[in-house]
Amino acid sequence: DVKVTQSSRYLVKRTGEKVFLECVQDMDHENMFWYRQDPGLGLRLIYFSYDVKMKEKGDIPEGYSVSREKKERFSLILESASTNQTSMYLCASSQTGSPIQYFGAGTRLSVL
Amino acid sequence: GENVEQHPSTLSVQEGDSAVIKCTYSDSASNYFPWYKQELGKRPQLIIDIRSNVGEKKDQRIAVTLNKTAKHFSLHITETQPEDSAVYFCAASRGNNDMRFGAGTRLTVKP
Repeated sequence: DVKVTQSSRYLVKRTGEKVFLECVQDMDHENMFWYRQDPGLGLRLIYFSYDVKMKEKGDIPEGYSVSREKKERFSLILESASTNQTSMYLCASSQTGSPIQYFGAGTRLSVL
Repeated sequence: GENVEQHPSTLSVQEGDSAVIKCTYSDSASNYFPWYKQELGKRPQLIIDIRSNVGEKKDQRIAVTLNKTAKHFSLHITETQPEDSAVYFCAASRGNNDMRFGAGTRLTVKP
């Protein structure tokens, strides 16, 4: 059974803080994704990575960066958090050659 | 790029009735169409998917139909139960890393 684990379920941060969201998967998947989920907008792709140290911008990368130093871990970084980044953040992973994505439980981030 | 539209945004049905959620997509090269269910406070989970070489797929009370010509696909849930209450997302993909999701449908099944 694929397990995608996000380190925090809830986070509260101040405007201007640097924020790290961590995601770990245990199925040796090559691909990992970060999405943002907002009511009425569905899931929007922020960044994805298809290999260690490789990354590609998604639809809404502004204000975010990512890091993938190890295959199992994909981090989302908010360099200077802003209130409009208050949202639910979902991590997912998939195997190369398969379109099926497996999701983590999400991190609900509030930026005050 | 791909654009996926999903309707309705909310759906309320009586237990035992059927529920239908519809999605349209814009990219004719899309060939994989999954449906995810997200219960309150939980992760989205894949419940059924269909590929473009198939017109319909069924798994117990849920089924998905695909009309490639019209570029739309639908989720059908029969004999709904209260535990079917959740947010459902459709998505479309070319089979690579480029998956686009619909905005979601909040289904409420009233006992």
